[in-house]
Amino acid sequence: EPEVTQTPSHQVTQMGQEVILRCVPISNHLYFYWYRQILGQKVEFLVSFYNNEISEKSEIFDDQFSVERPDGSNFTLKIRSTKLEDSAMYFCASSSGRTLNTGELFFGEGSRLTVL
Amino acid sequence: AQKVTQAQTEISVVEKEDVTLDCVYETRDTTYYLFWYKQPPSGELVFLIRRNSFDEQNEISGRYSWNFQKSTSSFNFTITASQVVDSAVYFCALSESFPGYSSASKIIFGSGTRLSIRP
Repeated sequence: EPEVTQTPSHQVTQMGQEVILRCVPISNHLYFYWYRQILGQKVEFLVSFYNNEISEKSEIFDDQFSVERPDGSNFTLKIRSTKLEDSAMYFCASSSGRTLNTGELFFGEGSRLTVL
Repeated sequence: AQKVTQAQTEISVVEKEDVTLDCVYETRDTTYYLFWYKQPPSGELVFLIRRNSFDEQNEISGRYSWNFQKSTSSFNFTITASQVVDSAVYFCALSESFPGYSSASKIIFGSGTRLSIRP
């Protein structure tokens, strides 16, 4: 069964360093998302992406964040200068956009980011 | 603005008991979509169900059932004869546009209910 894959599963970084989280969405999907979950808290929307541009972004998604689909398969989230409060689980998701689909977002297993 | 409230932060029941997880939502739209996701201890998010705002029919899937009541803006989830494997965090979620259809709109999650099933 096709799935969304994310790498790395866990990354530890020093405050101020740049981090890139990678996602490979399901191959025929058109819509891509990043969410984050601070430990024990709710799952928060960061950004949605369609047709090579950002569809919507939350207040969390400030200038330190960027997304890219560099090669038609990967979908990346970059944090330019990490802060302690960026420590969280980051989930990538994709959706096919077909008329008859269930509206389901297919989530990856997450990338845990720890900022020291 | 969209909002999803799951007032129960934690529930603990003994195996084989029935348990209901509450979800109340707020939206200005007349067309919206409601979801339940399960997050087991392994951390991934597992889709359970989607409901359209124009379809208030309740749904049953095995031991799971969902009660959608537009009049009270609620979308409650009941697990019948609970099992230890049901232990997880359950998230209710809302989207005001069909996600992945006309635009890449967002799903907003509630804060989750941690369900523990004791043997």
